[in-house]
Amino acid sequence: GDSVTQMEGPVTLSEEAFLTINCTYTATGYPSLFWYVQYPGEGLQLLLKATKADDKGSNKGFEATYRKETTSFHLEKGSVQVSDSAVYFCAFHGSSNTGKLIFGQGTTLQVKP
Amino acid sequence: GAGVSQSPSNKVTEKGKDVELRCDPISGHTALYWYRQSLGQGLEFLIYFQGNSAPDKSGLPSDRFSAERTGGSVSTLTIQRTQQEDSAVYLCASSPLAGSYNEQFFGPGTRLTVL
Repeated sequence: GDSVTQMEGPVTLSEEAFLTINCTYTATGYPSLFWYVQYPGEGLQLLLKATKADDKGSNKGFEATYRKETTSFHLEKGSVQVSDSAVYFCAFHGSSNTGKLIFGQGTTLQVKP
Repeated sequence: GAGVSQSPSNKVTEKGKDVELRCDPISGHTALYWYRQSLGQGLEFLIYFQGNSAPDKSGLPSDRFSAERTGGSVSTLTIQRTQQEDSAVYLCASSPLAGSYNEQFFGPGTRLTVL
């Protein structure tokens, strides 16, 4: 069935370090892929998305490329800031056409000054 | 404009009691979703509404859970005879339309604690 596997956290980095959070998925067909972020005390918000193979989603310095051949959507940022500390969720639309999202377990990122 | 709102923000209840959680979606959004965020289970889909009907209830964990939506707007998630394993953050999201290309906008959630 549909599922998402994310690297386990927490991930602790120093400011300006390079970030990669791995995400792979199992799905029927080629769904749209998303990264959501949950900052401390706030609700989930969409960070970036990609709707077809080889698309690159980007926002706030974060990037992720839709890799059909490896069923992956890894999140990267070249230089993290303390303000990036949050929980990151990889997700895609399930195989029904209702638009329901299938989420990974979430990866906690802590950036230290 | 106003985002998705949920109430209450926190709810503490005793095992066996019934609880109601409310979601006010963004005005004009026809699709509404409930998810649950619990330790060890991550974020799980519960139910989807298109207008006032619920074509997908596949994520509701038991018959103690039910939800309704009225006027194509407000939705209420009801949990009867709460159990400790129901403790979680319940998230509501809305979208202009259902389907793969529409962004879902999430509310802040209701944190439910069952003692």
